[in-house]
Amino acid sequence: GNSVTQMEGPVTLSEEAFLTINCTYTATGYPSLFWYVQYPGEGLQLLLKATKADDKGSNKGFEATYRKETTSFHLEKGSVQVSDSAVYFCALSDNSGGSNYKLTFGKGTLLTVNP
Amino acid sequence: NAGVTQTPKFRILKIGQSMTLQCAQDMNHNYMYWYRQDPGMGLKLIYYSVGAGITDKGEVPNGYNVSRSTTEDFPLRLELAAPSQTSVYFCASSHGQGTRYTFGSGTRLTVV
Repeated sequence: GNSVTQMEGPVTLSEEAFLTINCTYTATGYPSLFWYVQYPGEGLQLLLKATKADDKGSNKGFEATYRKETTSFHLEKGSVQVSDSAVYFCALSDNSGGSNYKLTFGKGTLLTVNP
Repeated sequence: NAGVTQTPKFRILKIGQSMTLQCAQDMNHNYMYWYRQDPGMGLKLIYYSVGAGITDKGEVPNGYNVSRSTTEDFPLRLELAAPSQTSVYFCASSHGQGTRYTFGSGTRLTVV
């Protein structure tokens, strides 16, 4: 079956530090990959996505590259801000077969950025 | 543009009580989903629907029921609440295959 493994949190950084949150996946087909962000007290929002190997998703200074050879989709940001404090979820949808509307989520990584 | 609306935002239930969590979307999305979020466990799919009149079980359906009589609404029913159902519940919708989900703001349920 499909699965997503994220690095364990919580992650605590100082403002302007470099961020990496690791994500690896297992899928039977050729998945699309996503990063969702959940701010305190809110639902999840799509942060970025990539639909095929070597694609790079980017948004709000965050980037992630779809690496098929290492089955990874690590999230990076060069300089984090206090406002980036949130829980980050890696997810995949399996594009083989007829169920690629369903997402499989990782457990989430809590990021706290201190001023 | 309301997106996905969930009610109530908070609820405390006693063991054995029943309730319905409401979810409505105004984006004409065919696909709708219910997830529960437990601390450190990510999101688990409870039920999903690919269109009006069609529902199917996800990973953790026991203790829950759903219906989809219209495209807009996808209520989640708890018949006999148990402490194990204490969680945050999220409803989501999507337009189609491989597309982004839009999430509601969640319902925090406590069963005591």
